[in-house]
Amino acid sequence: RKEVEQDPGPFNVPEGATVAFNCTYSNSASQSFFWYRQDCRKEPKLLMSVYSSGNEDGRFTAQLNRASQYISLLIRDSKLSDSATYLCVVLGGGADGLTFGKGTHLIIQP
Amino acid sequence: NAGVTQTPKFQVLKTGQSMTLQCAQDMNHEYMSWYRQDPGMGLRLIHYSVGAGITDQGEVPNGYNVSRSTTEDFPLRLLSAAPSQTSVYFCASSSWTNTYEQYFGPGTRLTVT
Repeated sequence: RKEVEQDPGPFNVPEGATVAFNCTYSNSASQSFFWYRQDCRKEPKLLMSVYSSGNEDGRFTAQLNRASQYISLLIRDSKLSDSATYLCVVLGGGADGLTFGKGTHLIIQP
Repeated sequence: NAGVTQTPKFQVLKTGQSMTLQCAQDMNHEYMSWYRQDPGMGLRLIHYSVGAGITDQGEVPNGYNVSRSTTEDFPLRLLSAAPSQTSVYFCASSSWTNTYEQYFGPGTRLTVT
């Protein structure tokens, strides 16, 4: 079983809609969780951390479910500029601690 | 601050050639790493370093060497390029207290023919 799994998509979503996607991880000893964003042909950048109590940053909400070993990202009132690939990242699951998922591709349509 | 810089941006090599991908950061970060990103494979760790003089292997180290003589620089050497090394290479750095917040360079797109 892969350590961090994501639905690759693409998720095609109309502008203004709410979209959510999940990421599952296999190592129950994983300590911390993050979402990175990667624009086409660009480098990944940290979007937000994921806490057990949930974490909200503007239109973005990230949540962690340790019992079921998944994290989620919800985007409300989606904008065209939200189109990107969202990478799920787990600390404590790999050689140097950080394990990246393959990413979920999101396309916001006008 | 320039952040993390990588050179070159693009490179084409013939099988068997060697080359060095350069990476530098000006944030005084202790932790630096090299990843490769392939379609459908995600980011995979090649080598990493927790400080000058200290390096270690990641998930896919074969065919690559690294060294860390200074805090700022972390070059990646391809010893004898193979078509399987065609990929996008990202260098990243972070402070030791926040290793999860990795700052990535713009990447090097390498093609091996």
